[in-house]
Amino acid sequence: GNSVTQMEGPVTLSEEAFLTINCTYTATGYPSLFWYVQYPGEGLQLLLKATKADDKGSNKGFEATYRKETTSFHLEKGSVQVSDSAVYFCALSDRNNQGGKLIFGQGTELSVKP
Amino acid sequence: DTAVSQTPKYLVTQMGNDKSIKCEQNLGHDTMYWYKQDSKKFLKIMFSYNNKELIINETVPNRFSPKSPDKAHLNLHINSLELGDSAVYFCASSQEGGGVYGYTFGSGTRLTVV
Repeated sequence: GNSVTQMEGPVTLSEEAFLTINCTYTATGYPSLFWYVQYPGEGLQLLLKATKADDKGSNKGFEATYRKETTSFHLEKGSVQVSDSAVYFCALSDRNNQGGKLIFGQGTELSVKP
Repeated sequence: DTAVSQTPKYLVTQMGNDKSIKCEQNLGHDTMYWYKQDSKKFLKIMFSYNNKELIINETVPNRFSPKSPDKAHLNLHINSLELGDSAVYFCASSQEGGGVYGYTFGSGTRLTVV
């Protein structure tokens, strides 16, 4: 079945450091890929998405490229801020079946220190 | 205006009780979902409704019963609550089944069973 695997957390970085959170997926068909962010005590917010191979999603300085050949969708940011501290979830949706169900990775907690 | 609103935000109750969580969306989306987030932040889909029709029903105890009176509302009723039901429950909605556009999440209901 479809699945998403993220790098283990927590990830602790200093402000202005470079961020990479790895995400790989297993899917039949042609999934759409998403990154969601969950700030403490809040629900999940869509951060960025990509719907086909080689698409790059970007938002708020974050980027991720849909790599079909490596089945990956790694999240990157060039310079993190304290306000980026949150839990990040990679997810996929198989548009062709299962009612658009989103399957999430286990989440990666990011802590940015001043 | 809150796009997806859940009530209550916190719910503390005793084992064996019956409780309901309500969800409403004002986005005009056709599809609504319930997800459960456990203590390790793992998210798992429970149910999905499209225009009042149940389309996803994962392996969930039948003590959990969703009800959708109209496409803007999806409530979750839980009978005979158990300690293991303690979690954060998220409602979400999407257009076109979420496969392309992703979901909009509510802020969650933290259920604690004592």
